[in-house]
Amino acid sequence: GENVEQHPSTLSVQEGDSAVIKCTYSDSASNYFPWYKQELGKRPQLIIDIRSNVGEKKDQRIAVTLNKTAKHFSLHITETQPEDSAVYFCAASRVTNTGNQFYFGTGTSLTVIP
Amino acid sequence: DTEVTQTPKHLVMGMTNKKSLKCEQHMGHRAMYWYKQKAKKPPELMFVYSYEKLSINESVPSRFSPECPNSSLLNLHLHALQPEDSALYLCASSVAGGTGTYEQYFGPGTRLTVT
Repeated sequence: GENVEQHPSTLSVQEGDSAVIKCTYSDSASNYFPWYKQELGKRPQLIIDIRSNVGEKKDQRIAVTLNKTAKHFSLHITETQPEDSAVYFCAASRVTNTGNQFYFGTGTSLTVIP
Repeated sequence: DTEVTQTPKHLVMGMTNKKSLKCEQHMGHRAMYWYKQKAKKPPELMFVYSYEKLSINESVPSRFSPECPNSSLLNLHLHALQPEDSALYLCASSVAGGTGTYEQYFGPGTRLTVT
């Protein structure tokens, strides 16, 4: 099965600085890589995703890069704000005709210090 | 409507009780999922239903019994649970197949406490 590793487990940055979270996966058949933000007591919310046929994707302050050869992908948040503080999960998925079997990384607790 | 709903929000049950968790979506998604999430841990996939048929069971104990009565509803029947089963149970849905968006939409979860 798929194994997703995520680093770091905790990350503190000053407001306005950038934050980078990295994930690696093991299954070369994985073809979809979403990133979720989860605030305390709430559901995971998709913030950005990338498919295996794309190397980079950006949405305002958030970007994701994918290196299929090395089997790793990263989340980049620029100009961080206190409201970015949350737990972030990466996931790897193989999209099939029967659905998406998601495997999550262990999470990164991000704290943005005002 | 891009919402997945779950009931109840909170559930406290004894180890001899039988209870059910419910999940509903009206996005026309034909894949639905149950996840278990312990505090400060990632969601763990339990079951996947595709076109109302169970397609993936991640070696979940039989005290958890999923059911998909139609394309909009997903249930999780609970019986003889253990205290270590206390967790947040998340339902999610997505399109089934490789076209369109791959996104999974999560419900708000049911916070389960087993006493």
